[in-house]
Amino acid sequence: AQSVTQPDARVTVSEGASLQLRCKYSSSVTPYLFWYVQYPRQGLQLLLKYYSGDPVVQGVNGFEAEFSKSNSSFHLRKASVHWSDSAVYFCAVRSGTGGYKVVFGSGTRLLVSP
Amino acid sequence: GALVYQYPRRTICKSGTSMRMECQAVGFQATSVAWYRQSPQKTFELIALSTVNSAIKYEQNFTQEKFPISHPNLSFSSMTVLNAYLEDRGLYLCGAREGNSDYTFGSGTRLLVI
Repeated sequence: AQSVTQPDARVTVSEGASLQLRCKYSSSVTPYLFWYVQYPRQGLQLLLKYYSGDPVVQGVNGFEAEFSKSNSSFHLRKASVHWSDSAVYFCAVRSGTGGYKVVFGSGTRLLVSP
Repeated sequence: GALVYQYPRRTICKSGTSMRMECQAVGFQATSVAWYRQSPQKTFELIALSTVNSAIKYEQNFTQEKFPISHPNLSFSSMTVLNAYLEDRGLYLCGAREGNSDYTFGSGTRLLVI
């Protein structure tokens, strides 16, 4: 069984500051990992994904994430946040080839203050 | 590109009545469709996975009797929430994929039960 833990329910950062949102996963097989963003009253948008290879993956809008097999983590980072980044961020995992089920974390609500 | 449309975007139904929501894939063949529910302040729970030419798999706590799903072709799926009550309110998200590709998610149908 797979699971995802996002330990921070809410994160507040100042505009222009750096950001890290934490994600820990559990998977018995090679995982495919994702970060999604949900803006107010909207569905999910894919930020980035990791399948294999370089553990640092780049996404849209300056986001990146780093996969760590030893730590079972896939933390999301951004060097300088903008007020428009305020949203809920979901980490998700799917088992690799043949895996059909995407399991989502509980989400982290990001508030960027002016 | 691959897009998934869901409609209606939002809907209100009276307690005890039923509500049908639709999901349409554009630009790819939706061989698998996953339906999720996001209850208020919660993460996305998988309701069921529908794969063309296979039986629909419902997750624990969700049943066909409550959430019947139709997946008649490679571009369309619908789900009905039967006998809706307050606990059924939330955002219903449809994700579709072709083969073993990543899911593309729609913007969701927001259900309010009064």
